[in-house]
Amino acid sequence: EAQVTQNPRYLITVTGKKLTVTCSQNMNHEYMSWYRQDPGLGLRQIYYSMNVEVTDKGDVPEGYKVSRKEKRNFPLILESPSPNQTSLYFCASSLSLVSTDTQYFGPGTRLTVL
Amino acid sequence: AQKITQTQPGMFVQEKEAVTLDCTYDTSDQSYGLFWYKQPSSGEMIFLIYQGSYDEQNATEGRYSLNFQKARKSANLVISASQLGDSAMYFCAMREGIRYSTLTFGKGTMLLVSP
Repeated sequence: EAQVTQNPRYLITVTGKKLTVTCSQNMNHEYMSWYRQDPGLGLRQIYYSMNVEVTDKGDVPEGYKVSRKEKRNFPLILESPSPNQTSLYFCASSLSLVSTDTQYFGPGTRLTVL
Repeated sequence: AQKITQTQPGMFVQEKEAVTLDCTYDTSDQSYGLFWYKQPSSGEMIFLIYQGSYDEQNATEGRYSLNFQKARKSANLVISASQLGDSAMYFCAMREGIRYSTLTFGKGTMLLVSP
């Protein structure tokens, strides 16, 4: 089944404890992206990747890191999480960069930073 | 200016009735894609339907159709024969440009379907 998977689905952590949210897609998509969703602010892009080893900042990259060493994986790293990073995080992928390509989303990761 | 505007924070509809969720967009690009996503209370983001700027026909996917009016820059989602499981948040989104483009979302419309 074609899908985007994320792990963990739920995470409660404490300020400053490094964490990684994994994202994997099995559709051989070139483009992958991370979003966060917050009440009243909607979905905002954190980082995106156009292909292996090619990443760039989205609208809200501060406090996050990403890497794209393999085409299928695009982990999101929070080196020193803070409470303002409590949010619902989505990974998404699409076949390529063009505007006609649909982005498919993972199931989301609910992160709480205490 | 907002690129995607969804003016209806919430909509109510009775089961089996049709409902239209509004979306207007703002772009100066000739090439763009318009998308609708559904987000149920469980949180996942489910792709529903897509309309390309060069598509002459309105997109349809089962009970979902997209009323695309290019001159008015609107891309309304029509759900026919609503079901209780349609209760969810609905987001309109746009990707614009010929090459790279990010996905810009509207604020969403909460749809509640009553028996």
